[in-house]
Amino acid sequence: DQQVKQNSPSLSVQEGRISILNCDYTNSMFDYFLWYKKYPAEGPTFLISISSIKDKNEDGRFTVFLNKSAKHLSLHIVPSQPGDSAVYFCAATPNYGGATNKLIFGTGTLLAVQP
Amino acid sequence: GAVVSQHPSWVICKSGTSVKIECRSLDFQATTMFWYRQFPKQSLMLMATSNEGSKATYEQGVEKDKFLINHASLTLSTLTVTSAHPEDSSFYICSATVGLGNQPQHFGDGTRLSIL
Repeated sequence: DQQVKQNSPSLSVQEGRISILNCDYTNSMFDYFLWYKKYPAEGPTFLISISSIKDKNEDGRFTVFLNKSAKHLSLHIVPSQPGDSAVYFCAATPNYGGATNKLIFGTGTLLAVQP
Repeated sequence: GAVVSQHPSWVICKSGTSVKIECRSLDFQATTMFWYRQFPKQSLMLMATSNEGSKATYEQGVEKDKFLINHASLTLSTLTVTSAHPEDSSFYICSATVGLGNQPQHFGDGTRLSIL
């Protein structure tokens, strides 16, 4: 049962344009969401996160939006740069009374930014 | 800050041997470390959670005797794949976090394990 879903396996965007990566989740207990970027043969690199008490968090070119009622979050990258080309994973974690920060990952979206 | 080092990055070995993978937090003390496995074109699947000085908590379906985890200090956790077989070939990644609450996990660069 895939609790975190990224329905687009790949996305191609022109340099300078906006990249929008989407993520859906099914578990209403998730209350903290993260986006990671991953290059081949490397570990994921943390990008940005958002708590369920917020609906938007911004950090430079990266903005994450959370729609709790729709159980949907998205990552916006603007402007997109060729160096942003990588696999992007969204992840979620439930807060069962302060247990370990167990992350549930989506399947990833391969972003290709064309020069 | 928050650098996690994983070693080795790549290992090839014969079926039946045991392989140890190390995960170190270089500039912080990691109270909790996690071990993930990733198959090609699939998501990262959590294998186990380890806290310093205590036994690891394994996810359902992960064999404890097959994947031995030791978290002897606040900066080091090891994963030993015992009597490895070709089906154990995968990309193993560790992560570490400084404590409880909503803090991001920081990942190592992973270990590509190939069993012949």
